[in-house]
Amino acid sequence: QIVVTQEPSFSVSPGGTVTLTCALSSGSVSTNSYPSWYQQTPGRAPRTLIYNTSIRSSGVPDRFSGSVVGNKAALTITGAQADDDSDYYCVLFMGRGIWVFGGGTKLTVL
Amino acid sequence: QVQLVQSGAEVKEPGASVTVSCEASGYTFTVYYIHWVRQAPGQGLEWMGRMSPYSGVTTYAQKFQGAVTMTRDTSISTAYMELRRLTSDDTAVYYCARGPPDSTRVFYFDYWGQGTLVTVSS
Repeated sequence: QIVVTQEPSFSVSPGGTVTLTCALSSGSVSTNSYPSWYQQTPGRAPRTLIYNTSIRSSGVPDRFSGSVVGNKAALTITGAQADDDSDYYCVLFMGRGIWVFGGGTKLTVL
Repeated sequence: QVQLVQSGAEVKEPGASVTVSCEASGYTFTVYYIHWVRQAPGQGLEWMGRMSPYSGVTTYAQKFQGAVTMTRDTSISTAYMELRRLTSDDTAVYYCARGPPDSTRVFYFDYWGQGTLVTVSS
């Protein structure tokens, strides 16, 4: 069974930089996994941030960036703001029409 | 503008089935996949499967095979997700989401429905 792992929680100071990661239980995440990232606040549908590793979705501020670092996908927030306090999810395309979400990271900005 | 509008909240007894609908507008329904994603209370997002509205071909996560059926009615640009043999573990918000066709080599969920709460309780 494929498991995608994210840090359960992270904290960052306002104005700071944080990198959240997304790893596979077996194997490496590469651009061929087409990692995408979503932000979610309580009671709301997810908002698309990044797709195909590093492409920002329309309207997403450039303080959000995506990459593959080593064997993990990464979401970096540079200059964190209070309203970045949210849950963040990655999802990987595993091929053959199968997708797997990570468990999500609860980011606290304080 | 692209919109996915889902049906309203449901309360079901254990063992029953539920069908959630997702009406698409603002684009050509048959071009993009419809994915279904659920989120149990206090838990993360879970991908359930996807359907091609053009062909009706479906791919389900292994966990849901045999329990879920995804269909569509192209005449009204609406996708459906039926989940059978409900248990309390199926209590969740169910989302539909749009995804580009694989041929674009763009892989993500670009628009989301508002979510439908399904509560399973006796």
